[in-house]
Amino acid sequence: AQKVTQAQTEISVVEKEDVTLDCVYETRDTTYYLFWYKQPPSGELVFLIRRNSFDEQNEISGRYSWNFQKSTSSFNFTITASQVVDSAVYFCALKGAGNMLTFGGGTRLMVKP
Amino acid sequence: GAVVSQHPSRVICKSGTSVKIECRSLDFQATTMFWYRQFPKQSLMLMATSNEGSKATYEQGVEKDKFLINHASLTLSTLTVTSAHPEDSSFYICSAQRDASNYGYTFGSGTRLTVV
Repeated sequence: AQKVTQAQTEISVVEKEDVTLDCVYETRDTTYYLFWYKQPPSGELVFLIRRNSFDEQNEISGRYSWNFQKSTSSFNFTITASQVVDSAVYFCALKGAGNMLTFGGGTRLMVKP
Repeated sequence: GAVVSQHPSRVICKSGTSVKIECRSLDFQATTMFWYRQFPKQSLMLMATSNEGSKATYEQGVEKDKFLINHASLTLSTLTVTSAHPEDSSFYICSAQRDASNYGYTFGSGTRLTVV
């Protein structure tokens, strides 16, 4: 069975602060994919990143960065210099050997001006 | 890029009536489509997986006769909520996958169903 845990249900920061969203996963599969999605208030899911289990390189895209550590089964997401527009719910998800995505519970990020 | 169109975005229906939600892949053929339900402030829960031309596979606890899924073509899947009740009020999201080797999932914009 697969499981994704996002321990932080809500985070509130002030604009320009850095914030890290935690994601811990469980799977018995040796090959798997990890994802992060953003869900703004409008509801649609916005794809942010996909990482496969054999690629442990950290990724940086603008103000976003991801830290993948297989040793701790974690795939954390950091937003640098947060902005009000970053306010949303962020989901971490896992795809193992099967075809389905398993989502974490989500972290609601509130960035205050 | 891959685009999935989901309609309607919002629907209000009376208790006891049925509602159909459409999910279309606009620029690719989706071999597999997924249907999720999301209650307020909760995560996405997979309801069913459908492959074109075959019966949908439902997750445990999801009533097949209540949530009818049809995937008649490679670009269209529909979810019909039959005899809707207030407890069916939720946000429904579809996701389309191009093929099994492409692990990208494209999501629709979701449908907010309110049953009164």
